[in-house]
Amino acid sequence: KQEVTQIPAALSVPEGENLVLNCSFTDSAIYNLQWFRQDPGKGLTSLLLIQSSQREQTSGRLNASLDKSSGRSTLYIAASQPGDSATYLCAGSPWGSSASKIIFGSGTRLSIRP
Amino acid sequence: DAGVTQSPTHLIKTRGQQVTLRCSPKSGHDTVSWYQQALGQGPQFIFQYYEEEERQRGNFPDRFSGHQFPNYSSELNVNALLLGDSALYLCASSPRIGFTEAFFGQGTRLTVV
Repeated sequence: KQEVTQIPAALSVPEGENLVLNCSFTDSAIYNLQWFRQDPGKGLTSLLLIQSSQREQTSGRLNASLDKSSGRSTLYIAASQPGDSATYLCAGSPWGSSASKIIFGSGTRLSIRP
Repeated sequence: DAGVTQSPTHLIKTRGQQVTLRCSPKSGHDTVSWYQQALGQGPQFIFQYYEEEERQRGNFPDRFSGHQFPNYSSELNVNALLLGDSALYLCASSPRIGFTEAFFGQGTRLTVV
């Protein structure tokens, strides 16, 4: 059974810092790894998608990497801003399923202090 | 493209009642999955529909059922509501074939009192 773990559960840093969010999964049999952002009480916004043949993706100040051999993914946020405050969820799509079946971690709640 | 749309946005029901939530997938997507997200937790997979049939199911009781229509839109039904069913219910859509990303709606907040 695929399980996704995110560390830390919560993180508070001052504005301007670079930070790393960690995600680990128990089964390397995934073909997509997505990072999502969720604001309080809201739905999910997809940030980055790393497909099985890829090792990393970048979008603006965000960079996500995937190491299937170790079962780990990291989300790097550069020059953090108060608007980055949200919960960040890591999720994997198991082989044999369509892309909308996703196994989620419980998230990292990020707070950026002005 | 309106993306994935869900209705209603908020709902309050009494214990024991039944509820129906609705989802319209992103244009071009034929697969819909439903998730339950309790406060402070990651979303949990309920089930997935394509070709108007339930294809995969997570660890949820039979009180949770669904339907997919020919236009790929979907409904989630929950019978005999319990207080513990209070959660944010999310719908995701994707093409059935292809390693693309999933798109999520904004969710329906269900409160059972």
